[in-house]
Amino acid sequence: HLVESGGGLVTPGGSLRISCAASGFTFSGYYMTWVRQAPGKGLEWVSYISGSGSNTNFADSVKGRFTISRDNTMNTLFLQMNSLRAEDTGVYYCARDVTAVAVTGTFDIWGQGTMVTVSS
Amino acid sequence: QSALTQPASVSGSPGQSVTISCTGSSSDIGAYNYVSWYQQHPGNAPKIIISDVSTRPSGVSSRFSGSKSGNTASLTISGLRTEDEADYYCSSYTSSTTLIFGGGTKLTVL
Repeated sequence: HLVESGGGLVTPGGSLRISCAASGFTFSGYYMTWVRQAPGKGLEWVSYISGSGSNTNFADSVKGRFTISRDNTMNTLFLQMNSLRAEDTGVYYCARDVTAVAVTGTFDIWGQGTMVTVSS
Repeated sequence: QSALTQPASVSGSPGQSVTISCTGSSSDIGAYNYVSWYQQHPGNAPKIIISDVSTRPSGVSSRFSGSKSGNTASLTISGLRTEDEADYYCSSYTSSTTLIFGGGTKLTVL
């Protein structure tokens, strides 16, 4: 079970941190990812992080602006978003990858999403 | 990196079969078997229906099947039902160790 929170309205150039609380599985044992969806548009992979937190990667569209992290003691995934732009607007989903050893892009558990709106 | 290429829309009548294609490159679909398909109904989170090109997760109907040839993956839905009307997305792992989705296909069951 995954529950996102922290979305909201932010002005261009601003920052926001969204969270994803996990329950019902051994959180530290899985790669986790963030996927976003702009209004009326398709899915876009944003970032992933390994179970230990030592391996991360980002889409070119957010590299250098977004940071992904996790607190395995609190079973929570985070996405720190800086220098936000209008094109970052959308629903942000956290999702669990099916494996612990490597990222596969197979996401078997998804949260309900949290809406981020970047507008003045 | 550009999104994988999917048709914007497909349609079919109840009981028929439809196939949705997903075209990538030798750096993603052509290089790895980490191709997944997701179904998304309006207002809901995506749901995985196919993983590893052709594996159906537990609980997914056998009416859904996946395949791959070269740089193109395909999702076939047989025995169409009204509840299959949704958006479908393919995804793949890439040689840049990133992930990529297709642009999505809207399935209409006439």
